[in-house]
Amino acid sequence: DAKTTQPNSMESNEEEPVHLPCNHSTISGTDYIHWYRQLPSQGPEYVIHGLTSNVNNRMASLAIAEDRKSSTLILHRATLRDAAVYYCIHAKKSSGDKLTFGTGTRLAVRP
Amino acid sequence: GAGVSQSPSNKVTEKGKDVELRCDPISGHTALYWYRQSLGQGLEFLIYFQGNSAPDKSGLPSDRFSAERTGGSVSTLTIQRTQQEDSAVYLCASSGGGPGELFFGEGSRLTVL
Repeated sequence: DAKTTQPNSMESNEEEPVHLPCNHSTISGTDYIHWYRQLPSQGPEYVIHGLTSNVNNRMASLAIAEDRKSSTLILHRATLRDAAVYYCIHAKKSSGDKLTFGTGTRLAVRP
Repeated sequence: GAGVSQSPSNKVTEKGKDVELRCDPISGHTALYWYRQSLGQGLEFLIYFQGNSAPDKSGLPSDRFSAERTGGSVSTLTIQRTQQEDSAVYLCASSGGGPGELFFGEGSRLTVL
């Protein structure tokens, strides 16, 4: 199984940046790093993914360590809507490689 | 609609009855996944379809669970002789084949009394 390690929970203040860490020491050279989040009572939603280089999109940024054994999801300005469970996953490129979700990090955002 | 659609959204059944859960993936998506999530837990992989075939059934918890996909589109997850431990939210996701971007439905909440 593709294992990742994330803190169980984190807190942030609204409108402040949030850095969510993830360790994936068993990652292989062809694995992508994916981040999903799950808002209360909803299915998970895709946030961002990357391979080696840092990535930015409208939702977040992904910073990948040079050895690829860890990554950080960055929310630049947290909003109350960002309160969710954030999952970090590594998996191969093909769509046939199932994503194995761990327990994730529960992010609380204080107004 | 444009997203993954699942039905029913809620199902309450008695222990021992059979249930069917349906998933309509995003049009054109060739890959389809079923997961389940028990209360307060992470997602547990059940089965993966590529087209109509299921190359990975490794997550199905017992032979009471089965799934099929027809026409490369709609999928049905069937649970026979339901047990109380089957109570969970069953989530379906589809993918267009890119590197792991899955689109999830809202899930079907199953309660077995």
